[in-house]
Amino acid sequence: AQKVTQAQTEISVVEKEDVTLDCVYETRDTTYYLFWYKQPPSGELVFLIRRNSFDEQNEISGRYSWNFQKSTSSFNFTITASQVVDSAVYFCALSGSRENTGGFKTIFGAGTRLFVKA
Amino acid sequence: EAGVAQSPRYKIIEKRQSVAFWCNPISGHATLYWYQQILGQGPKLLIQFQNNGVVDDSQLPKDRFSAERLKGVDSTLKIQPAKLEDSAVYLCASSPLASGGPIQYFGAGTRLSVL
Repeated sequence: AQKVTQAQTEISVVEKEDVTLDCVYETRDTTYYLFWYKQPPSGELVFLIRRNSFDEQNEISGRYSWNFQKSTSSFNFTITASQVVDSAVYFCALSGSRENTGGFKTIFGAGTRLFVKA
Repeated sequence: EAGVAQSPRYKIIEKRQSVAFWCNPISGHATLYWYQQILGQGPKLLIQFQNNGVVDDSQLPKDRFSAERLKGVDSTLKIQPAKLEDSAVYLCASSPLASGGPIQYFGAGTRLSVL
């Protein structure tokens, strides 16, 4: 069975602080994909990043960075110098093989709500 | 490029009533998903279409929920009759055909309250 765990339910930081959102996953697949999505108050999930299981290079995009470690089955997300506009719910997701019918199926973690205070 | 369109944005009904949600995916996207997001939880897949065929409906409560994607474009999700526990946000997403884990593009969702 596949599983995504985001142990942090809520995090509150003051603007300009760095914050790391944790994501731990479980899968028996050798080929899988990991994602982060942002859900602002408007409601729609916005794609942030996708990594495949063969690419463990960390990635940086502006103030965002991601640390993928297969050895610990983790895909953590760091926001540097947080801003009020970063306030949202962040979801980690895993896309792995679908049982019985083939193809890929995506499951989401429960999300981490980030509050950035001015 | 227009995003995923959903309507209505909000719906309030009483239990045992029926309700329908509509979704228009991004043009050219072969795959369409309906998710249920209960407050405080991550989205849970209800049904996934590829073109107008069902790929996965294993978590769709088929005694009360139904969905269709006629002509492989827009889609409707219906609940009949609704229960209190159906109160949630219903998200529609679409993605292009991909061999691996596809990036999904989401609509703003329909917030359903069942009283």
